[in-house]
Amino acid sequence: DAMVIQNPRYQVTQFGKPVTLSCSQTLNHNVMYWYQQKSSQAPKLLFHYYDKDFNNEADTPDNFQSRRPNTSFCFLDIRSPGLGDAAMYLCATSAVWETQYFGPGTRLLVL
Amino acid sequence: GEDVEQSLFLSVREGDSSVINCTYTDSSSTYLYWYKQEPGAGLQLLTYIFSNMDMKQDQRLTVLLNKKDKHLSLRIADTQTGDSAIYFCAEMGSSNTGKLIFGQGTTLQVKP
Repeated sequence: DAMVIQNPRYQVTQFGKPVTLSCSQTLNHNVMYWYQQKSSQAPKLLFHYYDKDFNNEADTPDNFQSRRPNTSFCFLDIRSPGLGDAAMYLCATSAVWETQYFGPGTRLLVL
Repeated sequence: GEDVEQSLFLSVREGDSSVINCTYTDSSSTYLYWYKQEPGAGLQLLTYIFSNMDMKQDQRLTVLLNKKDKHLSLRIADTQTGDSAIYFCAEMGSSNTGKLIFGQGTTLQVKP
């Protein structure tokens, strides 16, 4: 029944060690989004894909990259995680510019 | 620029009504949303309202929209302990990118 799936739910990585977070969807939505959410804050949009078209937010650090190999999957790559990158990472999907549906999130811990 | 503001905390007794308020600045917003986030979880869509509506009711939830004052509210009737969570108001602006502008979230505490 799950519509937006994120794996893993918890990820521990070491300072500077690349890490990849995964998102998949069964909704066949065109648009997939990645958000970063730090404690007690609103989600902050990092980037989104409209089909294969990648759209980066102006203030997203270069350390964050994304890949979308097909409609169903989207990955968030953090090339060199710092302590400040510890956060909840949320994936969302939507039909074109319609309501966004969120996954359960991946909590990233950087040691 | 676009901005959404909410009060940070609300405490109610179980069985009472809760009203969570939100103000926004973008008068051309098309949709306004309420999301619920429980501890350690993602955002759950609760309800949304299109900008040409004044009110929407869905079971225990009532959304009121005052476009003139750019004010949105979420009323939860007969609040239960399971309603304890953070509630985010969000607007979809006019930029046709689907980008959501979120408020900072209101923590609802329901006391037994």
